[in-house]
Amino acid sequence: NAGVMQNPRHLVRRRGQEARLRCSPMKGHSHVYWYRQLPEEGLKFMVYLQKENIIDESGMPKERFSAEFPKEGPSILRIQQVVRGDSAAYFCASSRDRADQPQHFGDGTRLSIL
Amino acid sequence: DQQVKQNSPSLSVQEGRISILNCDYTNSMFDYFLWYKKYPAEGPTFLISISSIKDKNEDGRFTVFLNKSAKHLSLHIVPSQPGDSAVYFCAARREGGSEKLVFGKGTKLTVNP
Repeated sequence: NAGVMQNPRHLVRRRGQEARLRCSPMKGHSHVYWYRQLPEEGLKFMVYLQKENIIDESGMPKERFSAEFPKEGPSILRIQQVVRGDSAAYFCASSRDRADQPQHFGDGTRLSIL
Repeated sequence: DQQVKQNSPSLSVQEGRISILNCDYTNSMFDYFLWYKKYPAEGPTFLISISSIKDKNEDGRFTVFLNKSAKHLSLHIVPSQPGDSAVYFCAARREGGSEKLVFGKGTKLTVNP
């Protein structure tokens, strides 16, 4: 499967715990985007990363959220001390380079906070 | 502030007829527009796109029209098939931006056999 791979598909956490969401881009893609979808809403941009660099994090909440895309391995979206309002579907997309469109999406991680 | 608006949450169409999904935007800096289709529990799948230098793009049963002066685009599906039933998202990218996409809230299309 050469598509964008996200894991886990479902993640359940209790309030105050940490959530780690992983994204492996398509083969040959070095640009990764994270989006969040709340119920009955569209996807909202969170962060755009290139290998080892954060290009645009204008959609990231200022606290508790961080993202990385190391030289080796998947991109990680990390949410510390989760709260109920973090419950959402988190989607990752990738592209070959900055000008490459369209972005190709994974099937998402559905995060539920108890 | 909703920069990309899909004002119809749902649309129901008979199989074989035309489906028209609408999208309005407010930011005149948007230069590239995309339509994605999404099934439940899956990620969005790219359907068709259009650059702001064009007013029409066609791919098989799918055609996207862009009216820059009205800041409006539409997706036409003809003929509609039951397998087209899904949520359709309009998305836009800003010229000179970081390539992030701005999405509408989606329109749920139901094609009845």
